Amino acid sequence: DSGVTQTPKHLITATGQRVTLRCSPRSGDLSVYWYQQSLDQGLQFLIQYYNGEERAKGNILERFSAQQFPDLHSELNLSSLELGDSALYFCASSSQGSTEAFFGQGTRLTVV
Amino acid sequence: AQSVAQPEDQVNVAEGNPLTVKCTYSVSGNPYLFWYVQYPNRGLQFLLKYITGDNLVKGSYGFEAEFNKSQTSFHLKKPSALVSDSALYFCAVRGGGGSQGNLIFGKGTKLSVKP
Repeated sequence: DSGVTQTPKHLITATGQRVTLRCSPRSGDLSVYWYQQSLDQGLQFLIQYYNGEERAKGNILERFSAQQFPDLHSELNLSSLELGDSALYFCASSSQGSTEAFFGQGTRLTVV
Repeated sequence: AQSVAQPEDQVNVAEGNPLTVKCTYSVSGNPYLFWYVQYPNRGLQFLLKYITGDNLVKGSYGFEAEFNKSQTSFHLKKPSALVSDSALYFCAVRGGGGSQGNLIFGKGTKLSVKP
């Protein structure tokens, strides 16, 4: 168990809908990262937050957004969903000064 | 831009034999390199990292990796494979510039260990 918790584990929704994925980082970790894993794109970095502020952006679509709350949990919001958004979404966290990140078990999103 | 390549989609090994999963990298500056493993329906688990120091890095579950600067490689190795090592293995490099925290992953190599 990495200590990173993601909910829900599975999510099935229709095209055009909006969903929210939740991540609780390891205790004390200030950085949260979101990744998308799909068969065609592999594992791609989406966005990073550090202590409530956006730190870095990767290949994140404009329809997607994230935030990190004062208690350090993070949410990834996906809107106007398309079939191609079906993927496994991972959250990871790391502590200040640490070089490695620890991953949650992911949320599997299926858009039908 | 930072990148990693895993040239093999799949590696097949007999139990008890040594295994190698290959990774090459391209970075500007000093590389921060990582190996992660993903078991079915599980998240990624950290195996080991190279930041600086000895070129042979030891990690979890008996895995080790050899950093070779001249060949820009960071191959994952294990002297004696177990059936339970069967999983998807990812090599990663830490992003540079303003994105130093995020990881850039290779496409993954599926390791299959047969009894």
